[in-house]
Amino acid sequence: KNEVEQSPQNLTAQEGEFITINCSYSVGISALHWLQQHPGGGIVSLFMLSSGKKKHGRLIATINIQEKHSSLHITASHPRDSAVYICAVLPSRLTFGEGTQLTVNP
Amino acid sequence: GAGVSQSPRYKVAKRGQDVALRCDPISGHVSLFWYQQALGQGPEFLTYFQNEAQLDKSGLPSDRFFAERPEGSVSTLKIQRTQQEDSAVYLCASSSLTGGGGELFFGEGSRLTVL
Repeated sequence: KNEVEQSPQNLTAQEGEFITINCSYSVGISALHWLQQHPGGGIVSLFMLSSGKKKHGRLIATINIQEKHSSLHITASHPRDSAVYICAVLPSRLTFGEGTQLTVNP
Repeated sequence: GAGVSQSPRYKVAKRGQDVALRCDPISGHVSLFWYQQALGQGPEFLTYFQNEAQLDKSGLPSDRFFAERPEGSVSTLKIQRTQQEDSAVYLCASSSLTGGGGELFFGEGSRLTVL
């Protein structure tokens, strides 16, 4: 079993839909990162969470430390949101999930 | 610099050749990570530096891989006697806090193709 598991692996949505990507982890962590990677592009940090909830524009990230679970929500999705979304957890080696390929159709 | 800079962006090597990949982290960042990302896969951890100290190198796939950060800033990932399975994008990330506890900043990656 991977230390970090994401679901779904692939997600196709229509423009405007509310999207949720889930991340479960099995190790004790000090922080969890949500990252975005566009095709052929670099990785961009979206959020770092150690508790609670963070919001940035149309993106919302939540974490439940007791349940070892985090979610990334995208409200009013847009085709430019199409990317791979990766959950990554600390400690030091920063273990990555497999990523969720999101495609938003216009 | 303004961000994490990696060079070269693209490298084609013949099998058996040695390569060196460079990472310039954001100035003052304590933590530096190296990752290997094969096509269609998520990044896989290679090694972690806290300043000049290599605290974790458990992800290095073989003794052909060697990383250093002698002055606690620029880091070099060296791959000796490259093999085809070494073909991947090598990503560098830095953070202002230890263990990557702060926001992570990634370089664009160095794409290595071994023929």
